[in-house]
Amino acid sequence: DQQVKQNSPSLSVQEGRISILNCDYTNSMFDYFLWYKKYPAEGPTFLISISSIKDKNEDGRFTVFLNKSAKHLSLHIVPSQPGDSAVYFCAGLIIQGAQKLVFGQGTRLTINP
Amino acid sequence: DTGVSQDPRHKITKRGQNVTFRCDPISEHNRLYWYRQTLGQGPEFLTYFQNEAQLEKSRLLSDRFSAERPKGSFSTLEIQRTEQGDSAMYLCASSAPQGAEAFFGQGTRLTVV
Repeated sequence: DQQVKQNSPSLSVQEGRISILNCDYTNSMFDYFLWYKKYPAEGPTFLISISSIKDKNEDGRFTVFLNKSAKHLSLHIVPSQPGDSAVYFCAGLIIQGAQKLVFGQGTRLTINP
Repeated sequence: DTGVSQDPRHKITKRGQNVTFRCDPISEHNRLYWYRQTLGQGPEFLTYFQNEAQLEKSRLLSDRFSAERPKGSFSTLEIQRTEQGDSAMYLCASSAPQGAEAFFGQGTRLTVV
């Protein structure tokens, strides 16, 4: 039962351009969605979140869009920089109970110079 | 460093041996989580503590796994009679009482040979 899906295992973008990472979910009960970035041999680093009652949240170069009717969210990074090369995970969160994160499989983003 | 700390960073063990990992959460965080990540997958929830109480365990956590959080501070995760299928990155995360985002440690990479 894959509640959160990232259907693109990898994405390659030229430096300076926009990177768009996509995520779909099936559980309508999620209260928040979070994006994490992960370098090899390190733990995930929190990037940005969005409440399910919002449709957009922006933090510097990072913007997350939420389309509840489509059960889809996306992370936009603009402009993309070489240091953005990493694996990106989206995760859903239900605030009742354990508040455990349900992660997608991840998308490996490569920024080319 | 006030982030989540995990020890050891790497562990190689022979099949059948017991291993124990330690996690020190961010000091004011009362919620502590263990996740497991295998290659090509997102982190999967294992167990959750609120203060010293273990409130939720995943069905992924077989009876060979046990976790504790004495005094509601650091936590340990023990795996008994390790199997090759236990090879993975074990991640610890903590979150504040009213916070949605969880902060992860750098993980412990377990290799069972």
